[in-house]
Amino acid sequence: GQQVMQIPQYQHVQEGEDFTTYCNSSTTLSNIQWYKQRPGGHPVFLIQLVKSGEVKKQKRLTFQFGEAKKNSSLHITATQTTDVGTYFCAVSSNDYKLSFGAGTTVTVRA
Amino acid sequence: DAGVTQSPTHLIKTRGQHVTLRCSPISGHKSVSWYQQVLGQGPQFIFQYYEKEERGRGNFPDRFSARQFPNYSSELNVNALLLGDSALYLCASSFGSGAGQPQHFGDGTRLSIL
Repeated sequence: GQQVMQIPQYQHVQEGEDFTTYCNSSTTLSNIQWYKQRPGGHPVFLIQLVKSGEVKKQKRLTFQFGEAKKNSSLHITATQTTDVGTYFCAVSSNDYKLSFGAGTTVTVRA
Repeated sequence: DAGVTQSPTHLIKTRGQHVTLRCSPISGHKSVSWYQQVLGQGPQFIFQYYEKEERGRGNFPDRFSARQFPNYSSELNVNALLLGDSALYLCASSFGSGAGQPQHFGDGTRLSIL
């Protein structure tokens, strides 16, 4: 089935700094979703990207879909302690199955 | 409106036993999907049900089964439990049946097998 690689696996960030996490696929994607899971919580839907080169922003979060629709990135500016958690990308391998990446776990140093 | 609700929140079973997990979707959502999440990994797709019919199945053995009721709630059943079945089981609902629909997750059932 569809597989995506997320890098890095762990991201340790100083509060106030920026960072980027990436999601890469060997095949062309129809769309990509991003979720955030806080420690002890459940995944929460953040955004869906559909169009080639699409860029969407949510406050300090910027999501981008690659021109070839094979990769995506999530950039967070001015990291805050509320950004702690694991960020997953998820892709559709067919009409019904959503495949999640292994996630990037973010910790923040105050 | 209430979100996705799952019960029980925690469960401890021994090897060989059977377990039933329950899920109520968000009101108006007709699709329910089940995922298994092992510590340190992303959720792995088990089943999707839409309008009471199984629409998809992931790479899980036949010990795993599910069903959806007329009110769109769902049950996940696992027979002959193994130690490796210990995980967080997540239910997600969406309005439509396509995997491209945003998934709304419940808090999950944490299953521990002794």
